[in-house]
Amino acid sequence: QEQLVQSGSELKKPGASVKVSCQASGYSFITYALHWVRQAPGQGLEWMGWINTNTANPTYGQGFTGRFVFSLDTSDSTAYLQISSLKAEDTAIYYCARRTSLAFDMWGQGTKVTVSS
Amino acid sequence: EIVLTQSPGTLSLSLGERATLSCRASQSVSGRYLAWYQQRPGQAPRLLIYDASSRATGIPDRFSGSGSGTDFTLTISRLEPEDLAVYYCQQYGSSPLTFGGGTKVET
Repeated sequence: QEQLVQSGSELKKPGASVKVSCQASGYSFITYALHWVRQAPGQGLEWMGWINTNTANPTYGQGFTGRFVFSLDTSDSTAYLQISSLKAEDTAIYYCARRTSLAFDMWGQGTKVTVSS
Repeated sequence: EIVLTQSPGTLSLSLGERATLSCRASQSVSGRYLAWYQQRPGQAPRLLIYDASSRATGIPDRFSGSGSGTDFTLTISRLEPEDLAVYYCQQYGSSPLTFGGGTKVET
């Protein structure tokens, strides 16, 4: 069946980097864009940006430029979110979500990233 | 940027009651591209409504969406135990995409 499966929880120290994966299955990966959404502890949903899975062109939302990189491995139907120079305020659950004409119709299960010394 | 304001922040009701959730946009939402998501504790969000009033696959008909322009509503006709969750609206008609702050439905 169609699904997005994300990598497991991460515990990182400030200043380190993390790479979160989002693997798609059950549909043609390059047909639909993938978006990234952040949810800080006890907070709401925040759109981070998206990547065109056909061209690999990323678009970053405000506040997500510089340290955040979206990338793809189309041979493996996988999207990646890399965050460098981690800060305590990057502690959050990060979701990937598929965008179709039906909005975000499918979500990954989320990856918890904790930044702590 | 379109700012979405959801009200109330928390909605306290009894099971079987009708729930009415509001989402107001700071400017008109293009093409009625307004969605509603449900997030149960410890789970990822789930699409309920897209294009303001279309139910996603598998969503019970007690959920309905309405509205256009700047005012949108999600209605749950009879509250069931599994409906206790946080609900978010989202506009996806113009960049940046934005979410409302959420409404928590509790008993």
